Amino acid sequence: GAGVSQSPRYKVTKRGQDVALRCDPISGHVSLYWYRQALGQGPEFLTYFNYEAQQDKSGLPNDRFSAERPEGSISTLTIQRTEQRDSAMYRCASSSGSGQQETQYFGPGTRLLVL
Amino acid sequence: EDQVTQSPEALRLQEGESSSLNCSYTVSGLRGLFWYRQDPGKGPEFLFTLYSAGEEKEKERLKATLTKKESFLHITAPKPEDSATYLCAVYSDSWGKLQFGAGTQVVVTP
Repeated sequence: GAGVSQSPRYKVTKRGQDVALRCDPISGHVSLYWYRQALGQGPEFLTYFNYEAQQDKSGLPNDRFSAERPEGSISTLTIQRTEQRDSAMYRCASSSGSGQQETQYFGPGTRLLVL
Repeated sequence: EDQVTQSPEALRLQEGESSSLNCSYTVSGLRGLFWYRQDPGKGPEFLFTLYSAGEEKEKERLKATLTKKESFLHITAPKPEDSATYLCAVYSDSWGKLQFGAGTQVVVTP
């Protein structure tokens, strides 16, 4: 079956603009996660949904970052008033069960570049 | 402070030259240790989950083991297609979310 998909794959934006990154999880997966990955590092947790409920948003860097999953499937990570330091690879993952001890399957990521 | 440390940072192997990667962790209440493979430009690809000390899992040339303080990923007789970055991640009661190490970059030459 299809894996986790993310769009766009690449996004170039100007400082101060808002961006929305989309994640489409594996069909039927109840949990969805957002990570940020710097070059040469492992993914860093941002936020986590169980169905439509945001269970943990402790990794979001500041209030410019928000995420939603209104129908318990597709999720959007929104960054408002982007800054150059927001440039990174943003990754989405999903798992079939609730709880972060479940195996997470990752998407290809969205590379964000803020000029 | 909870930490996940991988060593070495990089490893260059000749085809057929077996080796091991290390993932050490300092967390309370380990609930699962995960190994992923990541190819350049792609997302992490799941390999193994280990839940308790003494557990071992194998897949082709890869074997993962777990103790109370660390995990090893053994690569037996590697081939060039095993070249990738290998990431380990830990989920624990003390951290409450998946915590990744920085990875080991493995290059296998013919």
